[in-house]
Amino acid sequence: DIVMTQSPDSLAVSLGERATINCKSSQSLLYSSNNKNCLAWYQQKPGQPPKLLIFWASTRESGVPDRFSGSGSGADFTLTISSLQAEDVAVYYCQQYCTPSLAFGQGTKVEI
Amino acid sequence: EVQLLESGGGLVQPGGSLRLTCAASGFIFSDYVMTWVRQAPGKGLEWVSTITGSGDSTYYGDSVKGRFTISRDNARNTVYLQMNTLRAEDTAVYYCAKPPYTFYWWFDSWGQGTPVTVSS
Repeated sequence: DIVMTQSPDSLAVSLGERATINCKSSQSLLYSSNNKNCLAWYQQKPGQPPKLLIFWASTRESGVPDRFSGSGSGADFTLTISSLQAEDVAVYYCQQYCTPSLAFGQGTKVEI
Repeated sequence: EVQLLESGGGLVQPGGSLRLTCAASGFIFSDYVMTWVRQAPGKGLEWVSTITGSGDSTYYGDSVKGRFTISRDNARNTVYLQMNTLRAEDTAVYYCAKPPYTFYWWFDSWGQGTPVTVSS
């Protein structure tokens, strides 16, 4: 099974500054049929279900602010919040969907 | 509008059983896989189980394999999670989730979750 590992576990960023979250998979997430990476990112705030931010590693979900961006390929991926806003305080998760045995990273808590 | 409503959670003793239900609306239910994801108190998301649209194929996480069974009733737009031989470590909020497309399993629709507590 594919194992997803995020780093760091938590980070504190000043308002308006950049936040960078890393996600590493135990094997390549390159999907051969379309040459895209089968990785999604979610944001979860306390007491709420997860919210989809990004899929195919870098495609932003409709309605997600453009300060959120995803990058990376193969087994190494990054979620970047270019200018942190107060409402971005949350836990962020990556998820692989290359195989039916889905897997999430352990989460990264972003604080001000 | 897609709606997913979980129910059936509660307090159960170790070794006991519980059946969770997710009632879906707002989309052609039989066209989509459905997935259960759980979150233990203060912990991260853990994939539990997925069932294909027809119900022909099911998939389970290692921690629940052999104890949990996912099923669906496409006539009732409902997916179930039968949980047997429950353990304290199964204590979590259980979410059902739906992908935006049939063939790619990221999730843009989630229920609010139903809490399960396994304790004596």
